Order: sequence, then structure tokens, then C-alpha cells
Amino acid sequence: QSVLTQPPSVSGAPGQRVTISCTGSSSNIGAGYDVHWYQQLPGTAPKLLIYGNSNRPSGVPDRFSGSKSGTSASLAITGLQAEDEADYYCQSYDSSLSGSTVFGGGTKLTVL
Amino acid sequence: QVQLQESGPGLVKPSQTLSLTCTVSGGSISSGGYYWSWIRQHPGKGLEWIGYIYYSGSTYYNPSLKSRVTISVDTSKNQFSLKLSSVTAADTAVYYCARQLGATGYNWFDPWGQGTLVTVSS
Repeated sequence: QSVLTQPPSVSGAPGQRVTISCTGSSSNIGAGYDVHWYQQLPGTAPKLLIYGNSNRPSGVPDRFSGSKSGTSASLAITGLQAEDEADYYCQSYDSSLSGSTVFGGGTKLTVL
Repeated sequence: QVQLQESGPGLVKPSQTLSLTCTVSGGSISSGGYYWSWIRQHPGKGLEWIGYIYYSGSTYYNPSLKSRVTISVDTSKNQFSLKLSSVTAADTAVYYCARQLGATGYNWFDPWGQGTLVTVSS
């Protein structure tokens, strides 16, 4: 069981908007720690998509956006494209049990 | 830009020690400002952070793996390494090395190596 909870799967048609949630608790997201997001295309390493809750690295399309509120965070993808089909992971820090970087269980995005 | 590449045996016997090396190119580990991490992904599963090292040699490990993990750095070779002792089949995973940016609690990983699959089996 991951400390951060993500839906196992989401789907959307090309051009649509989808959101992926990442739910934590008072010892991680709710404690004010940042949330970061990664995209993992099939057979490849994860790639940084969003850092510091809502910042996009250079080269990441502005179709991707992140937000955080309370004990949860969200990744939104607008103008869905076939190439967005991938696994998405959130990451934060948990201060319980001596502290550790933690990941969500991942969400499989299917473009219909 | 900075690139990372993992290397090491793809097959390790149960109870033995898993050893991997990450070679960094396009930047110097010794320049400071970054931490260097190991992360693993069990087949078909999510990601698990293992630990990090700073160029000075200071380390921090995932409490759940701490008793079996050692991460070291060789600045002369621009490499850092992972040793995981007493492995079992549960340690079968793709192992990634990654550069860690940001302070503890606010850190993220970029870039990542391509990953290397390590299978624990007799």
C-alpha cells in the first residue's frame, strides 16, 4: 500500500481534459511538503513532469499542470493526445517513521 | 546535459549482495548542489525510493531498507554505487539512479537513468 493514493486508471478521448488525483495525509502533503509528478512511457524511465506542486520543467507542454490543496494534489492534462498514454506517479515526502521520500502507486492513463 | 547510466549484474543469487553503479556524464558529482539517489520499481508496480548520497559521502536511506543498504560515491570516476545485502526474490526490480534536486522534504528527481533490471534467483 502506497502512502500516497492514486486512482489505478483514468481515461479520456483525444482533446479532452483529465485529472489524476494524489491523496495523502497530515504527515506528507498535508504537512506542506511539495508534490512532484512523473510520466513513465511504456518501457522507459520516469520523466519529471511537474515539480514543486505546479512548476513545469523546460520542454514540458503547458497542457500539463499541477495543483495542491490540503492533503491532496492533482495533475491535469488538457487537449489529450495519444502520446500522453502512460503511467503517472506523484511523489512527496513523509515525515513519519524517520522521514522518507514517498511515491504514489501510479495511474495508468488510457487515451481512447 | 546531465545523463546517468546504471550498470551491474542482471542476476543475483538469494542471500547475496546486489551491487550496481551509476555513471554520471555531462556534469560533475563533485560540483555539489545535488544529491544522487537510487530508486527501484518492482515488475508491474510502483516506485520505491532507496536512498541518496551527497558528493561528500553523507547518506540518507529509506528506513524500510536501511539495514541492508549502502550507497557510496567515487568522485574520481564520477560514479555512485548501491549495495543491497541479503537479497530475496522480493528485491527483483528495475533499479534506477537519478539526480535529486531540492532540500529534504521538497526534493524531486531529474534526470533518471534508463534503469537496469536485477533478478534475484538461484
